[in-house]
Amino acid sequence: EPEVTQTPSHQVTQMGQEVILRCVPISNHLYFYWYRQILGQKVEFLVSFYNNEISEKSEIFDDQFSVERPDGSNFTLKIRSTKLEDSAMYFCASSPLLEQYFGPGTRLTVT
Amino acid sequence: GESVGLHLPTLSVQEGDNSIINCAYSNSASDYFIWYKQESGKGPQFIIDIRSNMDKRQGQRVTVLLNKTVKHLSLQIAATQPGDSAVYFCAERAGANNLFFGTGTRLTVIP
Repeated sequence: EPEVTQTPSHQVTQMGQEVILRCVPISNHLYFYWYRQILGQKVEFLVSFYNNEISEKSEIFDDQFSVERPDGSNFTLKIRSTKLEDSAMYFCASSPLLEQYFGPGTRLTVT
Repeated sequence: GESVGLHLPTLSVQEGDNSIINCAYSNSASDYFIWYKQESGKGPQFIIDIRSNMDKRQGQRVTVLLNKTVKHLSLQIAATQPGDSAVYFCAERAGANNLFFGTGTRLTVIP
């Protein structure tokens, strides 16, 4: 069964550094998403991406965040200058239309 | 704004019993709902979805009920097994394609 995959599983970075989180969505899906989950809290929407552009973004997704689909398979989330409060699990998801399938997540730790 | 909340943060059931997990939502414009299961250290796993033009939908051992009058969603798990132990989230979609998640209910199955 096809799955969304994410790398790395755990990323440790220093405050102010740039990080890139990588995702490979399910191959025939058209919609791609990033969510985050701070420890012990609920999953929060960051951004959705369709037809090679951002279709919606939340207030969390400020100028420090960007997404890219550099080729036909990868979908990346970049945080330009990380802050301590960016520490969270970051989940990528993809969907053919409605039902969203999530990857295993990348745990980002900012020190 | 939208909000999705769960009535009970924890639920313990005996193996073999049925489980009912509840969810309240506040946005009457929400037209699509999903239940996710999240095991420790993993991403949300799609369980079942329902559109707002339906009241009930059944899957394998799971049933989702939607009561639009009182904005209530429930997940019923039949013959609960130890492998069902996890945190369960409901999520709603209101217009756009992003999902708003509830805070989660931790289901513990007692062998």
